[in-house]
Amino acid sequence: NAGVTQTPKFRVLKTGQSMTLLCAQDMNHEYMYWYRQDPGMGLRLIHYSVGEGTTAKGEVPDGYNVSRLKKQNFLLGLESAAPSQTSVYFCASSYWEGQETQYFGPGTRLLVL
Amino acid sequence: GQQLNQSPQSMFIQEGEDVSMNCTSSSIFNTWLWYKQDPGEGPVLLIALYKAGELTSNGRLTAQFGITRKDSFLNISASIPSDVGIYFCAGQVGGTSYGKLTFGQGTILTVHP
Repeated sequence: NAGVTQTPKFRVLKTGQSMTLLCAQDMNHEYMYWYRQDPGMGLRLIHYSVGEGTTAKGEVPDGYNVSRLKKQNFLLGLESAAPSQTSVYFCASSYWEGQETQYFGPGTRLLVL
Repeated sequence: GQQLNQSPQSMFIQEGEDVSMNCTSSSIFNTWLWYKQDPGEGPVLLIALYKAGELTSNGRLTAQFGITRKDSFLNISASIPSDVGIYFCAGQVGGTSYGKLTFGQGTILTVHP
């Protein structure tokens, strides 16, 4: 039981490049979330999903897209990376609405030059 | 949008000292959570609070859900070096919020042996 895993752990991009961050969970959770963490800002919700095939915008969705084609996977895409997207990205999952315990992955550090 | 103000931003203490931190909000939350983040890792849930006035302990950690539902407090007694990390409060409105959490900015705790 690996919990929540994220791929890659670290990536450097040039402005304008695209990439996809992968989150996988093996706990059969319905809900999945993508956050970004910046110094002094805490964690801010980018997008989330309440089930396979569904996604919704969070607090800071601009510049990102997501997909949940399989229940266990939640992908975060950057179509045209910008320096402002330099951050640490965390994926999390939880059982269902009202189950507050969100299990977090180890994070992906992204540097956009 | 909802905002959580967490204080202090950082703390430098000696091993054995007690620690107190708090979180305040301009909005009411139905659930308060406290997470700890170790360096290079994702946040891990420490304590969850579900009722106004509730006081809950987890080992040396004690957290309280403020009566107004707009604040929460975390205390750590007899700190040890492994308490080092970033502590985040998080609030959840509940209802149809789909488990979405609002995070505080974090308190960076350093414990000197």
